[in-house]
Amino acid sequence: SQTIHQWPATLVQPVGSPLSLECTVEGTSNPNLYWYRQAAGRGLQLLFYSVGIGQISSEVPQNLSASRPQDRQFILSSKKLLLSDSGFYLCAWSPMDTQYFGPGTRLTVL
Amino acid sequence: DQQVKQNSPSLSVQEGRISILNCDYTNSMFDYFLWYKKYPAEGPTFLISISSIKDKNEDGRFTVFLNKSAKHLSLHIVPSQPGDSAVYFCAATYSGGGADGLTFGKGTHLIIQP
Repeated sequence: SQTIHQWPATLVQPVGSPLSLECTVEGTSNPNLYWYRQAAGRGLQLLFYSVGIGQISSEVPQNLSASRPQDRQFILSSKKLLLSDSGFYLCAWSPMDTQYFGPGTRLTVL
Repeated sequence: DQQVKQNSPSLSVQEGRISILNCDYTNSMFDYFLWYKKYPAEGPTFLISISSIKDKNEDGRFTVFLNKSAKHLSLHIVPSQPGDSAVYFCAATYSGGGADGLTFGKGTHLIIQP
């Protein structure tokens, strides 16, 4: 069966520091991968999606970036965090139209 | 412009009764709809979906109804149980439209009262 992992589970970072969140999927190959953010009081906002290694599409302009160095690995990064980057970050994978989410990373930027 | 709307931020229902969660969408290109359940500090869990070729889909206690002309869908939970207390997200997409992500509503917090 397929499983999706995210780490770290929680992260507290100062403003201006870099960020790297990792997502990996097991039990499938060539999945579509997604990064979402849930900010306080808001729904889930799609940030990036990827259909294959090295292929990244961005949905929202921001100071975040994503990379897919391996088939089942998806990384969310920032060079300098802003206060507004605080939120709950979710990685998801999809074989077709239904997406399955990881456990999430709670990021607090102070 | 919010393409998927859940107009009730919260809903309180007595245990054993029916919970009805509503969702409206504006984009007529959407043809595949999903409901997710989310506990605090966890990722959303897929519950049930419906394609626009259907108007109803049932899975155990969960039934989703789709009214395409009204661009409205609803999730019925019968009977409601304490473990159903969570935030429920409605989502929509274009089936077969490639890898585009889901468009989510802001969620409805369902509280099941004993």
